[in-house]
Amino acid sequence: DTGVSQNPRHKITKRGQNVTFRCDPISEHNRLYWYRQTLGQGPEFLTYFQNEAQLEKSRLLSDRFSAERPKGSFSTLEIQRTEQGDSAMYLCASSLPAANEQYFGPGTRLTVT
Amino acid sequence: RKEVEQDPGPFNVPEGATVAFNCTYSNSASQSFFWYRQDCRKEPKLLMSVYSSGNEDGRFTAQLNRASQYISLLIRDSKLSDSATYLCVVKSGGYNKLIFGAGTRLAVHP
Repeated sequence: DTGVSQNPRHKITKRGQNVTFRCDPISEHNRLYWYRQTLGQGPEFLTYFQNEAQLEKSRLLSDRFSAERPKGSFSTLEIQRTEQGDSAMYLCASSLPAANEQYFGPGTRLTVT
Repeated sequence: RKEVEQDPGPFNVPEGATVAFNCTYSNSASQSFFWYRQDCRKEPKLLMSVYSSGNEDGRFTAQLNRASQYISLLIRDSKLSDSATYLCVVKSGGYNKLIFGAGTRLAVHP
């Protein structure tokens, strides 16, 4: 499978714990995006990487959230001190530099109890 | 006000019906426009891009009115497999950031 992959697919955690998600984009895609989707809403942009550089962050990304893409390939999204409001689907997408289409991974569903 | 607004539906239609979805966007500087399809508990997938001249892909026709900041999607001869949520999407800014509407749910019944 050469699409975008995300791990884990599901994560249940207790409030206050830290969680980390991983995204592996399509191999030749240098642009990588994180989005968050809650029930009944469309995905909301969180952050964007071009290669290893994080070029844009949404105001939704509080200081409890951090994202990295250390070698310009896979990316991680960490949430510290999780809150119930963090429960959502976290989607990763990637694209080629000049392309309009973003390809989404299957997402990581986070439930904070 | 949300940057992209859609009627949430649901639209319940019989097989073979024609159904139209509308969407408005608030940022007049928006550059590109799309419809994405999202099946239940799955990731969004690009259905089609939307061009000012209007474009068609099989049973699907998309229209853009930049003056009114309005986007539409028409589905003809609906199939059961068209049942999904249709997301209106706008690209804004220099980094290809996508702004999604909340989606319009379509249920096609026999």
